[in-house]
Amino acid sequence: EAGVAQSPRYKIIEKRQSVAFWCNPISGHATLYWYQQILGQGPKLLIQFQNNGVVDDSQLPKDRFSAERLKGVDSTLKIQPAKLEDSAVYLCASSLGLSAGKVEQYFGPGTRLTVT
Amino acid sequence: GEDVEQSLFLSVREGDSSVINCTYTDSSSTYLYWYKQEPGAGLQLLTYIFSNMDMKQDQRLTVLLNKKDKHLSLRIADTQTGDSAIYFCAETYAGNNRKLIWGLGTSLAVNP
Repeated sequence: EAGVAQSPRYKIIEKRQSVAFWCNPISGHATLYWYQQILGQGPKLLIQFQNNGVVDDSQLPKDRFSAERLKGVDSTLKIQPAKLEDSAVYLCASSLGLSAGKVEQYFGPGTRLTVT
Repeated sequence: GEDVEQSLFLSVREGDSSVINCTYTDSSSTYLYWYKQEPGAGLQLLTYIFSNMDMKQDQRLTVLLNKKDKHLSLRIADTQTGDSAIYFCAETYAGNNRKLIWGLGTSLAVNP
């Protein structure tokens, strides 16, 4: 079974530029998550999709961050314009769904973003 | 509010047991998880425990849950250098769309 795919793996941009990250979840996984992980911290949930609908985007800085999952499969996270404090690893995860019970999230390798 | 706390660092000798501790505040937690993150890699689910269990064993891993004290621990027997990583404790509870609440992670260093 293929895992969660993310690209690019690394990105260096200047502040005020734009950047986009792509994620392809595990086939059949209805729920997709984008996390931001700043060095030395745990992951912070940015947005959670159930199929192509947003379940939780309460911690997404909506003035500069946007995400979409138009066909309920792969997803794109965009930052426009980037700030220095956006330097972090952006992790994508997927899980089967939100049915009762444990939620086993599978993570991609992440995209390391450096904003200079 | 929701909070998960972990000690930041642990250093052990190869072959010894490691015990990583975690405390949480939400008494309505349903599942508690341990994730492992190796350098430059994503997070890997190691094990989990349901809140009505006290203990779960999976090969070298033993999870202990003290629900009264809201304390979770992960014991790694016969720790190897390949176990060097950051270990994250996370919880989820009913009613929050099963969102994971994460600790800051414990960095485990295994010395030969």
